[in-house]
Amino acid sequence: SAVISQKPSRDICQRGTSLTIQCQVDSQVTMMFWYRQQPGQSLTLIATANQGSEATYESGFVIDKFPISRPNLTFSTLTVSNMSPEDSSIYLCSVEDGTGNTEAFFGQGTRLTVV
Amino acid sequence: GNSVTQMEGPVTLSEEAFLTINCTYTATGYPSLFWYVQYPGEGLQLLLKATKADDKGSNKGFEATYRKETTSFHLEKGSVQVSDSAVYFCALGLTDSNYQLIWGAGTKLIIKP
Repeated sequence: SAVISQKPSRDICQRGTSLTIQCQVDSQVTMMFWYRQQPGQSLTLIATANQGSEATYESGFVIDKFPISRPNLTFSTLTVSNMSPEDSSIYLCSVEDGTGNTEAFFGQGTRLTVV
Repeated sequence: GNSVTQMEGPVTLSEEAFLTINCTYTATGYPSLFWYVQYPGEGLQLLLKATKADDKGSNKGFEATYRKETTSFHLEKGSVQVSDSAVYFCALGLTDSNYQLIWGAGTKLIIKP
């Protein structure tokens, strides 16, 4: 299993500003995933972040809006840039457990409100 | 393509009632199947999983059986409690999909005392 610490747990931000969310894992993992969960909705994958390579973004998400860093095997950041109220969501960091059976572990999420 | 279809919510039950939340999937290959739970204000936690056909996952009184013939993974509990109120997500995982999980829409469960 993996224990994931995500911060901040919540924030209220002004439109036009940027917020960087940090995700720290207690073990080395190859793949980290960033999700968005809009109010009352399911999870939408933003991107997959592998150490040492560019993040892979899903359709509808671009690097300029959601830049991701993955400097090592235990840490990643997601930045939500030039925020608007439509970016108000829960952002979740997730890792695959490394055993090949695709089980995922999640951080507690970052609840972002843009005003 | 790969997809997960979940019973629409909210599902409202009285305490001690029997719970079923339906989940069906389409997948190429041989997926693993998961139920995750999200309690109010919290992140997602794995509730149970099954990695091959006919496996039964179980945890905290919840059960789900991987049925390949009906492509289903329905979540059941014999007697629900108020503390089970949460959103439940069914998901499938394919190792040939870069370990991404495919998520159902989520089912909100409300248990009344």
